[in-house]
Amino acid sequence: GESVGLHLPTLSVQEGDNSIINCAYSNSASDYFIWYKQESGKGPQFIIDIRSNMDKRQGQRVTVLLNKTVKHLSLQIAATQPGDSAVYFCAETHSGGGADGLTFGKGTHLIIQP
Amino acid sequence: SQTIHQWPATLVQPVGSPLSLECTVEGTSNPNLYWYRQAAGRGLQLLFYSVGIGQISSEVPQNLSASRPQDRQFILSSKKLLLSDSGFYLCAWSVFPGNYGYTFGSGTRLTVV
Repeated sequence: GESVGLHLPTLSVQEGDNSIINCAYSNSASDYFIWYKQESGKGPQFIIDIRSNMDKRQGQRVTVLLNKTVKHLSLQIAATQPGDSAVYFCAETHSGGGADGLTFGKGTHLIIQP
Repeated sequence: SQTIHQWPATLVQPVGSPLSLECTVEGTSNPNLYWYRQAAGRGLQLLFYSVGIGQISSEVPQNLSASRPQDRQFILSSKKLLLSDSGFYLCAWSVFPGNYGYTFGSGTRLTVV
């Protein structure tokens, strides 16, 4: 899987603006997707998930969009706050494919400018 | 509710010394358990996963081994650490079957000197 990536891309947004983080996946059999937030020195924190029978799912200030046609996943964060600064990872798995773990995207470093 | 505990949080070990990292899960039965490693500024690499007691699958050849002596306990070990074993080690669990709800522990920062 794509678990060991290159240097992380960075997205810089102004505090209060909306941010969109994108992710492409390659496995057509993947049917479950998760977005994680990882702060420095901590483990990844579950943000929101979506199953392949949905196109959109909303949480508190976050929305995940899934486009299975082009194998694209996005995370929208509304009204970003300084606490949103972190690295964000998308992850995919096939729920019926056994317990062989998630495949992670490379991650995006989100920086919130004051 | 389910919780996952991982310790120690940080560890500095000399080259050639043994390693034992422990992970326990509470509030669930028969979880899938995983060990990941993360190099600085990079993504997560799956090292081992387990679907039950004594059942371990290895994803990459390496200097490490894993064991699952109890349903909710997962241990990462090495007999002799190498410099290249340094990294951030993360334990995780998911619901079995279905592989949903992946949750990570807080991680162990291992530095081999």
